[in-house]
Order: sequence, then C-alpha cells, then structure tokens
Amino acid sequence: AQSVAQPEDQVNVAEGNPLTVKCTYSVSGNPYLFWYVQYPNRGLQFLLKYITGDNLVKGSYGFEAEFNKSQTSFHLKKPSALVSDSALYFCAVRGGGADGLTFGKGTHLIIQP
Amino acid sequence: EAGVVQSPRYKIIEKKQPVAFWCNPISGHNTLYWYLQNLGQGPELLIRYENEEAVDDSQLPKDRFSAERLKGVDSTLKIQPAELGDSAVYLCASKDRKGDTGELFFGEGSRLTVL
Repeated sequence: AQSVAQPEDQVNVAEGNPLTVKCTYSVSGNPYLFWYVQYPNRGLQFLLKYITGDNLVKGSYGFEAEFNKSQTSFHLKKPSALVSDSALYFCAVRGGGADGLTFGKGTHLIIQP
Repeated sequence: EAGVVQSPRYKIIEKKQPVAFWCNPISGHNTLYWYLQNLGQGPELLIRYENEEAVDDSQLPKDRFSAERLKGVDSTLKIQPAELGDSAVYLCASKDRKGDTGELFFGEGSRLTVL
C-alpha cells in the first residue's frame, strides 16, 4: 500500500524568507508525486508534479519541489514567501499500479507579515 | 475551460435524513473520483469511475453510501441515512485518461453538516 507523511502540522515563515514544506512517501515502483494547495472553503488546486526526469520541478506561483529517491522525499519549496501563500498544502503520491492519489494529512503554511 | 462543478456547496441535515451530492466533471474527462475529506485530514478515496463503470469502490461504505454515473458524465453520491460522523467535505475530481500523468482536477467540494 502507498502512503504519504507530512510530518509538520504547521509551518510558520516570515514574509520574504524561504519556505520548505516536507513530504515523504512510500510506494512500490516508480512514484508520481504531486503537491496541491487548498484555500479555506475551496477545493484542491494543483501546484506541481514529478513524473520523471529532472529532480527539481517548478510549478505555479513560484513554488518548486525536489524529488529525492534515496530519501523518498518530495519537499515543497519557495525562495521568498508571500502572505498570500498562507494555506493548507497537501502532498500526494500515485504508484504501485494504483490509479488514484493517496494524500498526506496536510500542512498549514502560515506566512507572517 | 470550465472546471469540475459540484453542488450543493453546503448542506445541513438532521441525522437519519438522506442527502445527495452532484458532480459535473471537466468535459472529456472519463475518469471521475469521489473523495471524502474530514476536518484536518487529507482527502480519502471513496469511489472511482471509468466512464459509467465503478472500477474501485472498495472504500465506499455500501450500507449507507451509493453512487452512480449513468451516462458516463455527471455523477451523484448519496448517503441514506446520514449519521453524525458523515459530517465532512465531499470532493469530486476528474482526470483525462489520454496522456495520463496522474493529475486530478478537483471541484470546490460539498460540505455536509449532520446535526
């Protein structure tokens, strides 16, 4: 069975500072990895994905993520945080022949002015 | 391009009452999912459709939950009777099988409160 761990319930960052939201995964075979963002009372919005190729993936709103196979991690990063980045972030994995996505429990990102 | 549309956005009912949620996926997307999102948790798959066929309903509590996608487009998720523990957000998502790289497109969700 596949699983995703987001070890931090909440991450606090000052505006303008770099941010990292952590994600590790467990899956058989090659993983497809995703990050989604959810604003209050809204659905999940796709940010970026890793399928194959370059380990550094760039996505929407200046976010990027680094795939590390040996550490089974896919951390979300941004060089300079904005207050508007404050939201709930989900990491998800697809692999092992499964079709749907398995999500982590989410990390609240709070950017302080 | 229109996104995934869900209705109602909010629903408040008393326990033991029935409730239904509707989803219209992105045009041309033949894979449709219903996910359950409890407060403070990530979404969990309830059922997946390929066209009109339910190909994965192993996580759907079939004693009270049912779903259909009769013409392979719109889908309805029903709960009868609802219990207090069913209070959650029900998310619909769709995906295009062509060139499939796994990305799902989600609707805004239907928030259910059972009193």
